[in-house]
Amino acid sequence: DIQMSQSPSTLSASVGDRVTITCRASQSIHDWLAWYQQRPGKAPKLLIYKASSLESGVPLRFSGSGSGTEFTLTISSLQPDDFATYYCQQYNSYSTFGQGTKVEIK
Amino acid sequence: QLVESGGDLVQPGGALRLSCAVSGFTFSSFGMNWVRQAPGKGLEWVSIIDASGGGAFYADSVKGRFTISRDNSKNTLYLQMNNLRAGDTAIYYCAKQAPGSGWFFDYWGQGALVTVSS
Repeated sequence: DIQMSQSPSTLSASVGDRVTITCRASQSIHDWLAWYQQRPGKAPKLLIYKASSLESGVPLRFSGSGSGTEFTLTISSLQPDDFATYYCQQYNSYSTFGQGTKVEIK
Repeated sequence: QLVESGGDLVQPGGALRLSCAVSGFTFSSFGMNWVRQAPGKGLEWVSIIDASGGGAFYADSVKGRFTISRDNSKNTLYLQMNNLRAGDTAIYYCAKQAPGSGWFFDYWGQGALVTVSS
């Protein structure tokens, strides 16, 4: 089974900050990686797929990069709506999610 | 729109069937999934079924106990859960597979809470 590991688990930041979240896979997943945002009490929302493709309607401040085993999600300028938990998901072999990164207000 | 129903409190060893009623897209054209989230925990993929209903896959944690199915004439996805355990307690989301062959999910329901406890 492919394991996914995110870092950090929690991130404290301010509005306007540039934020980067890292996701590592236990083996190569090529670029079969998605990122989701989940606000409290809500369903997850797709942000990025195929490592760097922005889902329609998602703000341009979100971007993804990486391939193989190491990936990043970057928020270029954090907005109030962005305080949430972010999950990576591999879909190279079945599907596995990372444990999540909570972005909280500093 | 995806609307789950059927969540409930059930005793260990019991059974439950979740439903997910779909509208707003051509249900029969897309694979569908169940993803769960234990209270205060992360997301766990549970199962996927292809567009026709002819193929399905399961996470090891539920294999042999859960069965995914769909009725394309009713635009509804199901998850039959048997021999439930305390560790199955979670919010269960149905999620639509995005167009193409990748197992990532572009639309999600609001979730149904399943509590397994005596």
